[in-house]
Amino acid sequence: SQQGEEDPQALSIQEGENATMNCSYKTSINNLQWYRQNSGRGLVHLILIRSNEREKHSGRLRVTLDTSKKSSSLLITASRAADTASYFCATDDQAGTALIFGKGTTLSVSS
Amino acid sequence: GAGVSQSPSNKVTEKGKDVELRCDPISGHTALYWYRQSLGQGLEFLIYFQGNSAPDKSGLPSDRFSAERTGGSVSTLTIQRTQQEDSAVYLCASSLIGRGNGEAFFGQGTRLTVV
Repeated sequence: SQQGEEDPQALSIQEGENATMNCSYKTSINNLQWYRQNSGRGLVHLILIRSNEREKHSGRLRVTLDTSKKSSSLLITASRAADTASYFCATDDQAGTALIFGKGTTLSVSS
Repeated sequence: GAGVSQSPSNKVTEKGKDVELRCDPISGHTALYWYRQSLGQGLEFLIYFQGNSAPDKSGLPSDRFSAERTGGSVSTLTIQRTQQEDSAVYLCASSLIGRGNGEAFFGQGTRLTVV
């Protein structure tokens, strides 16, 4: 079952620019998480935002959550070439059991 | 251990053979997830274990796929009579808090190629 859907599918920017990725989901959630994946292998957790939170920061990352629109955004400020990766949002599923991922946004940052 | 460990890293098998993929989660993590990722695609949920509860098998694509978790620790994903469409990276993750409420730690995956 697909819960989250990221937009855009691909994003290309220059170093120093900001990158914004969006995630929409279908059903009520307890929390939403963002992950990063380099080179198609293991994912790394970036940030978790709970359903009663609206905004959260971690370093150059800013995540917002709008439960009324069932959407979240991930903003990476002052991007670097090392930020090149795929970014996924993940939510608990309808049954409140598993962690379900979207299809991801591929970010390319060129120097 | 320091993190989630998966073995083997790569597996090439002939069509029709059975394969077993292993996942060693972080000690003390009660939740364990298996996912499948085809080239350039998102993560497809397969199965979820939480403590001693019955696993959530709702993501398994066919009855050729099964998984077990022994003693609440190591997990094995078994694919019987492999098909070419089973070729993918199989990812395992564990979490201290389950039900999607906590950070999941991922292994590096097993790349399965069925020829």
